[in-house]
Amino acid sequence: GENVEQHPSTLSVQEGDSAVIKCTYSDSASNYFPWYKQELGKGPQLIIDIRSNVGEKKDQRIAVTLNKTAKHFSLHITETQPEDSAVYFCAAITYYDKVIFGPGTSLSVIP
Amino acid sequence: DSGVTQTPKHLITATGQRVTLRCSPRSGDLSVYWYQQSLDQGLQFLIQYYNGEERAKGNILERFSAQQFPDLHSELNLSSLELGDSALYFCASSAGLTGGEQYFGPGTRLTVT
Repeated sequence: GENVEQHPSTLSVQEGDSAVIKCTYSDSASNYFPWYKQELGKGPQLIIDIRSNVGEKKDQRIAVTLNKTAKHFSLHITETQPEDSAVYFCAAITYYDKVIFGPGTSLSVIP
Repeated sequence: DSGVTQTPKHLITATGQRVTLRCSPRSGDLSVYWYQQSLDQGLQFLIQYYNGEERAKGNILERFSAQQFPDLHSELNLSSLELGDSALYFCASSAGLTGGEQYFGPGTRLTVT
């Protein structure tokens, strides 16, 4: 069936360094790609998203890139801070609203 | 605070029982999504409703059903519960249909004993 792969599953970086998380999707009907941050005991929170007609989007320290041909999209966090520590999920959503999440990446930022 | 509310926060029940989880979307949002999150399965999309109508279905078991009422709140019904149904159940809402920003509620933790 359709799926979303996400790598790495865990990521540990020093404060101030960059973190990159990569996702690959299989359903070519996917046209919307959000990224969520989930802190312990809370629901996922949307941090950035990108649509299929855009290649890159930035919001302060966070950026997302999309390569539709290769079906890859990535999250880039620069100048990481301890409060960035959380589980990050990518998702691929089709034009008919089917939602598939990646398995998640646990990011630890070491002070 | 996302503006999405879910009740109850915690639920403990026995195998074979039936439970109902409730979700109130953000004011003005017409779409409601239900997700199951377990340790070994990650976040699984169950079902979406838009303005009272079923819009999209994911990996929802036949023992599970949902509906969205005229006031736009939604309920997820889980029946003939099994140990493997123990998980966090999240509701999310968005303003419209395709590709809308989803706001997640705090979740309901279901434990089946």
